[in-house]
Amino acid sequence: GAVVSQHPSRVICKSGTSVKIECRSLDFQATTMFWYRQFPKQSLMLMATSNEGSKATYEQGVEKDKFLINHASLTLSTLTVTSAHPEDSSFYICSARDGDSQLNEQFFGPGTRLTVL
Amino acid sequence: GQNIDQPTEMTATEGAIVQINCTYQTSGFNGLFWYQQHAGEAPTFLSYNVLDGLEEKGRFSSFLSRSKGYSYLLLKELQMKDSASYLCAVVDSNYQLIWGAGTKLIIKP
Repeated sequence: GAVVSQHPSRVICKSGTSVKIECRSLDFQATTMFWYRQFPKQSLMLMATSNEGSKATYEQGVEKDKFLINHASLTLSTLTVTSAHPEDSSFYICSARDGDSQLNEQFFGPGTRLTVL
Repeated sequence: GQNIDQPTEMTATEGAIVQINCTYQTSGFNGLFWYQQHAGEAPTFLSYNVLDGLEEKGRFSSFLSRSKGYSYLLLKELQMKDSASYLCAVVDSNYQLIWGAGTKLIIKP
């Protein structure tokens, strides 16, 4: 099956620092990648959709200057949380859609737990 | 607007059967997914329905009625490891996934 990796799995940082999270599709080309955020006991919240080689589309209420997304290749997308604050502490999950598949299934990475002190 | 409804929480007994319902109102329909998510982990794929009817896969089955905007996930022979959240997601006319809030399933011995 399709595998998506995410790195790091856990990060603790001080307030004001920037954190970069990588999402990679290991055995397929991901034309579209998605970034989600999930707070405790809540459902997934889509932050943005990124297509390879173009600017990401952000959901309403998500600051594009704070959450920088780069989808430079068909196998890699990065999310940078700039000037992180404690309220940014959350579980960040990426997913990828196989461009060659007729199915619209999203394959999820294992997630990154961000804690901002 | 687009809306996915599923119960917030359900409780069942080990060895029993449980049915988790999902109703949806979306702009177009191109399939429905069920995902399982254990606490602190990412979702994992369970099933995909695009045509009406029942899809069976081991202990798990998923049903779809497009005319009613309704699906259910049926879990048989429940095991303690089935304690998790179950997420219903619909692919809309723009091929975007619309997510339900998830149903937390608690399995008791």
